[in-house]
Amino acid sequence: AQSVTQLGSHVSVSEGALVLLRCNYSSSVPPYLFWYVQYPNQGLQLLLKYTSAATLVKGINGFEAEFKKSETSFHLTKPSAHMSDAAEYFCAVSPRRWGNEKLTFGTGTRLTIIP
Amino acid sequence: EAEVAQSPRYKITEKSQAVAFWCDPISGHATLYWYRQILGQGPELLVQFQDESVVDDSQLPKDRFSAERLKGVDSTLKIQPAELGDSAMYLCASSLGGSGMSTGELFFGEGSRLTVL
Repeated sequence: AQSVTQLGSHVSVSEGALVLLRCNYSSSVPPYLFWYVQYPNQGLQLLLKYTSAATLVKGINGFEAEFKKSETSFHLTKPSAHMSDAAEYFCAVSPRRWGNEKLTFGTGTRLTIIP
Repeated sequence: EAEVAQSPRYKITEKSQAVAFWCDPISGHATLYWYRQILGQGPELLVQFQDESVVDDSQLPKDRFSAERLKGVDSTLKIQPAELGDSAMYLCASSLGGSGMSTGELFFGEGSRLTVL
C-alpha cells in the first residue's frame, strides 16, 4: 500500500523567509506525487505534481518540489513566504496505473506566516 | 474554467436525520470520488466510481452511507441516520480516469461541510 508522511503538523515562518514543508512517501513502485493547498472552508487546489518527467517540479504561486528517489522525499519549498501562503498543505500519492488515480493524502501541514 | 460543483456548501442536521450531498463533476471526467475530511486531518476516500460503477467502496460505512452515480455523470452521497461522528467536510473530486492522457490529477469541488448536532 502507498502512503505519505508529512513531518510537522504546524510550520511558522516569517514573511519573506524560506518555506519548507516536508513529505516522505512509501511505495513499492514509482508513484505519482502531488501537493495540494486548502484554504479555510474550501476544497483542495493542486499546487504541483510529479509524474516522472523532471524531478524538480515548479507549481503555482512560486512553489516548487523536488522528487528524490534515494530519500523517498518530495519536499515543498518557496524562496520567500507571502502572507497569502497561509493555508493547509497536503502531500498525496497515487499509483502509477491508468484508470486508478486514487489519491492517498498525508495528514497535512498548517502553514502560518508571521508578519 | 470547468469546475466540480457540490451542494449544499453547508448542512446542519440533528443526529438520526438523513442528509444528502450532490456532486457534478467536470464534463468528460469518467472517474468520480467522494472523500471525507475530518477537521485537522487529511481527506480519506469513501468511494470511487468509474462511470456508473463502484470501483472502491472499502472505506464506506455501508450500514449508514450510500452513494450512487446512476447515469455516470452526477453523484449523490447519502447518510442515514447521521451520527455525531459524521461531522466533517465531504469533498467530491473527478479525474479523466482510464485515459491515456491521464496524469493522476484529481480536481476537487469546494466541499460540503456537515455539522451533526
